[in-house]
Amino acid sequence: QKEVEQNSGPLSVPEGAIASLNCTYSDRGSQSFFWYRQYSGKSPELIMSIYSNGDKEDGRFTAQLNKASQYVSLLIRDSQPSDSATYLCAAHAGNNRKLIWGLGTSLGVNP
Amino acid sequence: DTAVSQTPKYLVTQMGNDKSIKCEQNLGHDTMYWYKQDSKKFLKIMFSYNNKELIINETVPNRFSPKSPDKAHLNLHINSLELGDSAVYFCASSQDDRVPVYEQFFGPGTRLTVL
Repeated sequence: QKEVEQNSGPLSVPEGAIASLNCTYSDRGSQSFFWYRQYSGKSPELIMSIYSNGDKEDGRFTAQLNKASQYVSLLIRDSQPSDSATYLCAAHAGNNRKLIWGLGTSLGVNP
Repeated sequence: DTAVSQTPKYLVTQMGNDKSIKCEQNLGHDTMYWYKQDSKKFLKIMFSYNNKELIINETVPNRFSPKSPDKAHLNLHINSLELGDSAVYFCASSQDDRVPVYEQFFGPGTRLTVL
């Protein structure tokens, strides 16, 4: 059974701090990885995608991928209360055409 | 302009009824998806169509039937609704579903409540 695992949290950080969200995946054939943000009552919104080992930065967000360790992370710098949401990690299944989703990590940023 | 739209946004109905949810995307994407998100917030893929062809059909009761009249539209029809069908149903689309897979973009969701 292919899985994506995330710590459900809640993760609580003070405003201005760095929030670190982690995700592990079981399918070594996975090649593409995605971080989505979902506010309560809203739809998932794509934040970052990453395909290659290493870091990818976009504004306050940095995605990190380590395929050897089957590990993906998302760093949020200068966290804001508006970053409070559930963050979903997804991996593209290596041998079929769908994303495998984690259960999400709930993040709260305290003013 | 809304990229992926769904109607209706809310749907409240009685057990045993038949209902449909419609989805449209104006992104020019080739692939569309239906997801179910239950009260535990887990996103479960149900179906996927690529250029009107069914490519993913997960273990879903055959009361659920998707239809794609063209690559910009994907509808979901549900027969004989049951209490357990209550959930939020999301439509999504992507430019191509081949690896490296392109990002999926989600519609606003349809909250279905079966009484």
